[in-house]
Amino acid sequence: QLQLQESGPGLVKPSETLSLTCSVSGDFISGSDSYWGWIRQSPGTGLEWIGYIYYSGSTYYNPSLKSRVTIAVDTSKNQFSLSLISVIAADTAVYYCARRSAAVRYFQNWGQGTLVSVSS
Amino acid sequence: QSVLTQPPSVSGAPGQRVTISCTGSSSNIGAAYDVHWYQHLPGSAPKLLIYENSKRPSGVPDRFSGSQSGTSGSLAITGLQAEDEAEYYCQSYDRRLSIVFGGGTKLTVL
Repeated sequence: QLQLQESGPGLVKPSETLSLTCSVSGDFISGSDSYWGWIRQSPGTGLEWIGYIYYSGSTYYNPSLKSRVTIAVDTSKNQFSLSLISVIAADTAVYYCARRSAAVRYFQNWGQGTLVSVSS
Repeated sequence: QSVLTQPPSVSGAPGQRVTISCTGSSSNIGAAYDVHWYQHLPGSAPKLLIYENSKRPSGVPDRFSGSQSGTSGSLAITGLQAEDEAEYYCQSYDRRLSIVFGGGTKLTVL
């Protein structure tokens, strides 16, 4: 049973960098023909796709966030990460990590989510 | 502003049928990209409910069904139960934007 678990600081100051990690259990990132991604939900709004990384390392980002986002994989730890620079209050959200198989365009597995607040 | 448009809320009494619409455009649903639906309970992970317009993952009751036509998708829930009270999101693929979601619909069971 594949499981995803987000971790990282719950509070980030404006203009700083938001960094989150998703730990994967039940499967190996390096051996899985999958995309590993991040999705967020800001207060009072819907879900927003941030981006994902293919197991081979290719990355795909939401055009609206592309200039500030980096997603990377650490296969030695079976984790992938999200880095969002120059954060503002509008980046306050629950951040989810998720997986989709390469053959499909929907997310089959999700983490529980972690709340990140941007505030001084 | 979400790329896919959903009604903010719907409601129904136990046992009734409700539908939730998801309207897109010619660059996503209208371009023959599938519609998928997720059920989201507060404090938990979103759960895949319907994929590829009308398919149900193992374990999802057949009370939940989906359809797609033109630039829209639709989720129907029959025999409404109290446990169905949740937020429902549609998702598709967009030629320009890649993965896109609807704004979510809050289902209230009266």
